[in-house]
Amino acid sequence: GAVVSQHPSRVICKSGTSVKIECRSLDFQATTMFWYRQFPKQSLMLMATSNEGSKATYEQGVEKDKFLINHASLTLSTLTVTSAHPEDSSFYICSAQQSSNTEAFFGQGTRLTVV
Amino acid sequence: GQNIDQPTEMTATEGAIVQINCTYQTSGFNGLFWYQQHAGEAPTFLSYNVLDGLEEKGRFSSFLSRSKGYSYLLLKELQMKDSASYLCAVYASGNTPLVFGKGTRLSVIA
Repeated sequence: GAVVSQHPSRVICKSGTSVKIECRSLDFQATTMFWYRQFPKQSLMLMATSNEGSKATYEQGVEKDKFLINHASLTLSTLTVTSAHPEDSSFYICSAQQSSNTEAFFGQGTRLTVV
Repeated sequence: GQNIDQPTEMTATEGAIVQINCTYQTSGFNGLFWYQQHAGEAPTFLSYNVLDGLEEKGRFSSFLSRSKGYSYLLLKELQMKDSASYLCAVYASGNTPLVFGKGTRLSVIA
């Protein structure tokens, strides 16, 4: 299957700083990527849909000024958690699809800990 | 709205068979996926159903009934490494993101 690479896998940052997470589709072009957040023992919660060359679409309750998404190319989307707080500590996962209604390939996930 | 229901937790014995059910109510339907997720890792693809019936892949099988809004994942010859969360996910329509159920945490015991 296709490969989606997410980096970093783990990051610890101080409260008030910003953290950037990268999601790359390595062997296919992804016009759309999705960002999810997962708290312990809970399901994946969609945060936003990242569209290449246009603004991201955020789910209700997700602050777009706090979670900045940039999809500058067909193989790269980034999520920046700005002014991070301890409650932002979570597992962040991206996914990408080659086309509509096809399998979503997931990145490895990023474990963010804000201290 | 979109709603996907699956049991929260299940326990089964090594070597046995377990069936994880999933029911969905979505505004449209363009396919159903099952993913496996081990703790602290990203989900990995198990199966995809878009037509009614059973899809078999080794020890794992998935069934779909679109008229009933129902699917199940069947795991045979359970192994300890099958202890994980199993996520049911549906494409409602078009280029929309997958809608995930809350996941079923399966514990395989000796």
